[in-house]
Amino acid sequence: DTAVSQTPKYLVTQMGNDKSIKCEQNLGHDTMYWYKQDSKKFLKIMFSYNNKELIINETVPNRFSPKSPDKAHLNLHINSLELGDSAVYFCASSQDRGDRTDTQYFGPGTRLTVL
Amino acid sequence: GQNIDQPTEMTATEGAIVQINCTYQTSGFNGLFWYQQHAGEAPTFLSYNVLDGLEEKGRFSSFLSRSKGYSYLLLKELQMKDSASYLCAVLDSNYQLIWGAGTKLIIKP
Repeated sequence: DTAVSQTPKYLVTQMGNDKSIKCEQNLGHDTMYWYKQDSKKFLKIMFSYNNKELIINETVPNRFSPKSPDKAHLNLHINSLELGDSAVYFCASSQDRGDRTDTQYFGPGTRLTVL
Repeated sequence: GQNIDQPTEMTATEGAIVQINCTYQTSGFNGLFWYQQHAGEAPTFLSYNVLDGLEEKGRFSSFLSRSKGYSYLLLKELQMKDSASYLCAVLDSNYQLIWGAGTKLIIKP
């Protein structure tokens, strides 16, 4: 069984469109994350949700909005897509914000290409 | 600012040993992680260190020196499947995970 799953795996779209990426984890974790990995391979955290509350909101454009219908899901909605949004987006989850249990488990990634 | 440094790329020979270094400067420290990422795939957890010293796990070992802000990942008996990027990440005082850019390891026969 896949622990952290994302859909779609590939997304190609036109500039100006609105799109969503879905993420689900079946690990019973309390915290979920969205990361953006750009062409230089840096993983940059975008959002973190703990028990349905936003606990980190890095300085990302407000065109990006995370939506968490329940503890097992954290979806990423993007409005008015721009060329610079092209990247791989990873969802991750962790059990808690404690010590060793903070290991993050990653989804397979969604490669977004904006034309 | 917070900073994590790793070499961009390293090359090693199948069957050999390689050490990937990581130095960090962060606001607080709650542990250091090493992740492996194959091309086109998600990062996978390798190790976690929060106390000084060496932790061994099969062919992989990870070392930490908190006073020096330094860690290394040691890979023994290299196999072709070890070709991947190795990411160093530090958990800071706010429990945010700060990531390095990763070290691309190329294994040659």
